[in-house]
Amino acid sequence: GEDVEQSLFLSVREGDSSVINCTYTDSSSTYLYWYKQEPGAGLQLLTYIFSNMDMKQDQRLTVLLNKKDKHLSLRIADTQTGDSAIYFCAEKDGTASKLTFGTGTRLQVTL
Amino acid sequence: NAGVTQTPKFQVLKTGQSMTLQCAQDMNHNSMYWYRQDPGMGLRLIYYSASEGTTDKGEVPNGYNVSRLNKREFSLRLESAAPSQTSVYFCASTTHGNQPQHFGDGTRLSIL
Repeated sequence: GEDVEQSLFLSVREGDSSVINCTYTDSSSTYLYWYKQEPGAGLQLLTYIFSNMDMKQDQRLTVLLNKKDKHLSLRIADTQTGDSAIYFCAEKDGTASKLTFGTGTRLQVTL
Repeated sequence: NAGVTQTPKFQVLKTGQSMTLQCAQDMNHNSMYWYRQDPGMGLRLIYYSASEGTTDKGEVPNGYNVSRLNKREFSLRLESAAPSQTSVYFCASTTHGNQPQHFGDGTRLSIL
């Protein structure tokens, strides 16, 4: 079945850029998503990219997709303390109506 | 701007008790989902309903039942709760499969 992998933890200093990485196995993935989860809250959609795109930028967020390597990354520019959260990568294949989530990357922003 | 509303937010049960988790969305979405979130395991799909009147099993359906009551509401029932079902449960919805899913704030369930 599908598998989505992420590193568990990332620590960055305030003002630096953060890069969160994700790899997936399903070559028929159509959409890939990034969600943010703050403590005690649900998942908030940050951005998503269709598989025929290489890059998508939205304010401080840049998503890069390498389909050949099945690698997705989320770059957060000028990282702030409010960006501290768990970030989930998720993929959806072309036929299913459900998402497969990674285990989440906890981003810690230090002063 | 309610979006996806889950009730209750917290619940403690004893082993063997039954409980229904409620989920309602006001976005006129067709598809609804139930996930559980456990430490280090991300979100795993329990059941989903692609459209009103249909339900399908996800990755971890054992011990659960669901009901798509109408287009707005999708409930999750634990008939005989077990400690292994201690988790955070999230409901999500989307207008159709390719669109992003919108999540509720979760129900934190502890089974003693």
